Amino acid sequence: DTAVSQTPKYLVTQMGNDKSIKCEQNLGHDTMYWYKQDSKKFLKIMFSYNNKELIINETVPNRFSPKSPDKAHLNLHINSLELGDSAVYFCASSQEVDGGEQFFGPGTRLTVL
Amino acid sequence: RKEVEQDPGPFNVPEGATVAFNCTYSNSASQSFFWYRQDCRKEPKLLMSVYSSGNEDGRFTAQLNRASQYISLLIRDSKLSDSATYLCVVARGQNFVFGPGTRLSVLP
Repeated sequence: DTAVSQTPKYLVTQMGNDKSIKCEQNLGHDTMYWYKQDSKKFLKIMFSYNNKELIINETVPNRFSPKSPDKAHLNLHINSLELGDSAVYFCASSQEVDGGEQFFGPGTRLTVL
Repeated sequence: RKEVEQDPGPFNVPEGATVAFNCTYSNSASQSFFWYRQDCRKEPKLLMSVYSSGNEDGRFTAQLNRASQYISLLIRDSKLSDSATYLCVVARGQNFVFGPGTRLSVLP
């Protein structure tokens, strides 16, 4: 059973398009995250949601909009895709509010042409 | 200065070697500390949490020095399967900051 799942696994699209990445966790966790890992392999937090409420919004362009329909899902919608958005996007979840282990999804490799 | 810095690597070591990774962090308000492991083209996975008293899990030993804002990971008797990138992670509440990672290759 997959704990944190993401779809799609690969996404290739043209500049200017709008796309979404879906994330679901079946661990019963209250906190979910989105991370971006760029070509230099830096893993940087984008958003953190606790029980469907936005807790952290790092310096991310407002073209990125997370949506949490319930605490098991945190989707990421990206408008007007740019070349620099090409990266691997990881969803994660954790049980504890402060500093607990994070469980990561397998990642979505986004390529913007 | 980056909030979390690590040895740049890569480390290439023979099987059976002992290898140590260092990590420093700049925010003294950091509360939780971890080592994660990331295999090539895979997601990061927790290796171990790091406590002030130090902790050991088999061949892996982690140390935390809050005064120096320094974290270390020691791997003894390294195996081929230890080849991966090791990520130092520092957290304040739900804000997790990942270091750039140190790549380890264990050679036969």
